[in-house]
Amino acid sequence: EAGVVQSPRYKIIEKKQPVAFWCNPISGHNTLYWYRQNLGQGPELLIRYENEEAVDDSQLPKDRFSAERLKGVDSTLKIQPAELGDSAVYLCASSLDFSYGANVLTFGAGSRLTVL
Amino acid sequence: QQQVKQSPQSLIVQKGGISIINCAYENTAFDYFPWYQQFPGKGPALLIAIRPDVSEKKEGRFTISFNKSAKQFSLHIMDSQPGDSATYFCAATLPFKGAQKLVFGQGTRLTINP
Repeated sequence: EAGVVQSPRYKIIEKKQPVAFWCNPISGHNTLYWYRQNLGQGPELLIRYENEEAVDDSQLPKDRFSAERLKGVDSTLKIQPAELGDSAVYLCASSLDFSYGANVLTFGAGSRLTVL
Repeated sequence: QQQVKQSPQSLIVQKGGISIINCAYENTAFDYFPWYQQFPGKGPALLIAIRPDVSEKKEGRFTISFNKSAKQFSLHIMDSQPGDSATYFCAATLPFKGAQKLVFGQGTRLTINP
């Protein structure tokens, strides 16, 4: 069984440019998460989806970040325009049942963004 | 209040030794305490977890010790091996909007010297 698939693995852009990250969760996992992991820090939740509904986006910087999960399967996280401080690893995770999110959260390998 | 504080930031242990990583929290609403292991270029993976009504949980060489009154918990890795070299994150879950919100510590980079 394939795990959580993310692309691209690496992205280098100039500041003020747009960037998008894609995530395909484990088949059958209804809950999808986007986390941001700054260098030397633990991951921080950006947004959680239950199927196609964003149920927790309280930490998503909505002025420049957007996300979507059409059809409740794969998801895209977009940043426009990117700032220097957005350099980080963007992790996608999925779980079968949100009520057991901590127990069965499976992370992808992440997309490392460098903003110059 | 939602923070989990982790120490040390980095740790070097000789092969066969015991690695100990500590975490502390303030919010008594946290109801589950997992540890994640992350290798370079990979996402975090669940290693072991404990509920606050249990004082200790052991899985192989990995043990969580939990002190509810002190609001502290720790990960012990017995007979540490070079393959254990990774970054370890403690975490805690908080009931939030009908589910559980996962809050991570800052991480400990563990190096096991052969």
